[in-house]
Amino acid sequence: DIQMTQSPSSLSASVGDTVTISCRASQYVSRNLNWYQHKPGKAPKLLIYAASTLKSGAPSRFRGSGSGTDFTLTISNLQPEDFATYYCQQSYSTPPDTFGQGTRLEIK
Amino acid sequence: EVQLVESGGGLVQPGGSLILSCAASGFIFSDYWIHWVRHSPGKGLEWVSRINLDGTDRRCADSVKGRLTISRDNAENTVYLQMNSLRVEDTAVYYCTRAVGGGDVPGRFDPWGQGTLVTVSS
Repeated sequence: DIQMTQSPSSLSASVGDTVTISCRASQYVSRNLNWYQHKPGKAPKLLIYAASTLKSGAPSRFRGSGSGTDFTLTISNLQPEDFATYYCQQSYSTPPDTFGQGTRLEIK
Repeated sequence: EVQLVESGGGLVQPGGSLILSCAASGFIFSDYWIHWVRHSPGKGLEWVSRINLDGTDRRCADSVKGRLTISRDNAENTVYLQMNSLRVEDTAVYYCTRAVGGGDVPGRFDPWGQGTLVTVSS
């Protein structure tokens, strides 16, 4: 199974900041890497798929990059509604469809 | 509007059983694979199971193999998760989600239901 490792596990930032979350796959996953946003009590939401394609309707301040084994999610000009937990997920070699352990983004 | 609605969660004793349902609307249900993913606070998101278009290909995570079984009824636009021999560590919110893409187009999960809570405790 492919393991996904995110860093950091948690992050504190202020409104207006730019933050970066990293995701590393234990094996090659090409660009089959997705990012989800999850808020307590809510359904997870797809933000970015295929490593860098922004889902229609998602804010343009979210940007994904990377390929192979190393990927990054960058959020620019943080807004209050962005404070949530973010997960990466590989869809290259399944099952299982593995997720990273999550990065909790908190308000400083 | 594409929508998935889970139901059937609740409190169950260790060793007990439960059946979760996922009712779909707003899209051609039989055109999509459906997955179950669970979330527990200490573990994050964990993929649980998936089913193909006609129900002939069903896979599940090693952690639930032999205990949780996925099925679907395309006439009713519903996916089920039969949960047997439940353990305390199965306590989680269970989400169903639609798989989009695949093949030459990278797959992803979109949308997700609002989830149903399963609590396994004595």
